[in-house]
Amino acid sequence: EIVMTQTPLSLSVTPGQPASISCKSSQSLLHSDGKTSLSWYLQKPGQPPQLLIYEVSDRFSGVPDRFSGSGSGTDFTLKISRVEAEDVGVYYCMQSVQLPLTFGGGTRVEIK
Amino acid sequence: QVQLQESGPGLVKPSETLSLACTVSGGSIRSYYWSWIRQPPGKGLEWIGYVYYSGSTNYNPSLKSRVSISVDTSKNQFSLKLTSVTAADTAVYYCAGGAYDFWSVWGQGTLVTVSS
Repeated sequence: EIVMTQTPLSLSVTPGQPASISCKSSQSLLHSDGKTSLSWYLQKPGQPPQLLIYEVSDRFSGVPDRFSGSGSGTDFTLKISRVEAEDVGVYYCMQSVQLPLTFGGGTRVEIK
Repeated sequence: QVQLQESGPGLVKPSETLSLACTVSGGSIRSYYWSWIRQPPGKGLEWIGYVYYSGSTNYNPSLKSRVSISVDTSKNQFSLKLTSVTAADTAVYYCAGGAYDFWSVWGQGTLVTVSS
């Protein structure tokens, strides 16, 4: 199975400052159809995960444009341009190029 | 707007079968792929498997011998059965819907504890 490795494990950010989370996969996530199957989720405290980004860089409906995704192959990044208090929680990346679908271990973001 | 609601027992005895249902409201079960994902207390997310409205399924090989996911289009519902449970199966179980390669709608989750 494809192993997803996220760094850092946790991040403490001053409101208004940027944040960046890395996600590396053990194999390329480029599908034969040309899509790259990497998505990002945010799990706020006490809530289910919510989809932020799919196919590396497409923001899901309603997701603020301060969230952006980038990367290719095996290296991916989620960036928050200006962190707000409501962005606290655990961020997960997930690959879907190969079964089983696998998630990264998560990155906890807190506000300073 | 599609919403999901998990239902089922919160306590299951070791060696018994865990059974959960997820009811889809606000949309048709024919619209998406439907998945079960679990999260042990304080830990990360594990994909269990998914089903399409046609009944076709895919499962995580780590659970494949014990898991079954089915769909009932007449009830707009899909279900999870996990046999021979142990304490390691204690988790919050989420149902989710999406395009099978990402999950755009999630239920609130239900905690299932395996204990005698």
